[in-house]
Amino acid sequence: EPEVTQTPSHQVTQMGQEVILRCVPISNHLYFYWYRQILGQKVEFLVSFYNNEISEKSEIFDDQFSVERPDGSNFTLKIRSTKLEDSAMYFCASSTRDTTEKLFFGSGTQLSVL
Amino acid sequence: RKEVEQDPGPFNVPEGATVAFNCTYSNSASQSFFWYRQDCRKEPKLLMSVYSSGNEDGRFTAQLNRASQYISLLIRDSKLSDSATYLCVVNGDDKIIFGKGTRLHILP
Repeated sequence: EPEVTQTPSHQVTQMGQEVILRCVPISNHLYFYWYRQILGQKVEFLVSFYNNEISEKSEIFDDQFSVERPDGSNFTLKIRSTKLEDSAMYFCASSTRDTTEKLFFGSGTQLSVL
Repeated sequence: RKEVEQDPGPFNVPEGATVAFNCTYSNSASQSFFWYRQDCRKEPKLLMSVYSSGNEDGRFTAQLNRASQYISLLIRDSKLSDSATYLCVVNGDDKIIFGKGTRLHILP
């Protein structure tokens, strides 16, 4: 079964450093998402991406965050200057259609900001 | 009112029992509803979509009540492997919103 892959599985960084989280969505999917989950809390929407542009973003997704689809397969989330509170599990997801369609999630990147 | 609300539990249920949980949502224009399952420190995985007419998949039954704006999940003949957090997921305003989840522990 096709799957969404994320790398790295764990990322440790110093506060103030830039990080890039990488995702390879399922190949025929058109809609891409980033979610995050702080330990013990709910899965929170960050951003959705369709047709090479952001279609929706949450208040969490401020100027420190950006997304890119640099080629036909990768979908990246960049955090420019990490803060302690950015420590979380970051999930990438993709779907064939819009938000009426189910999401397929990657296994996540655990980001630890020290 | 929160966008998607669930009883966090935990529900501690003996193996073989039937358990049900509800989830309420605030956006009456929501079109799609899902139950996901999340194991500890793993990604959410789709359990089932929820259709207006209600739907069943083996031991799992999902129902939607649009008038009262809630969806439900019923698990029959529960197994130890059903222990997980069950996430209610609703689409609204072009984004998919997760509930905080209901923790289920199946006891041997």
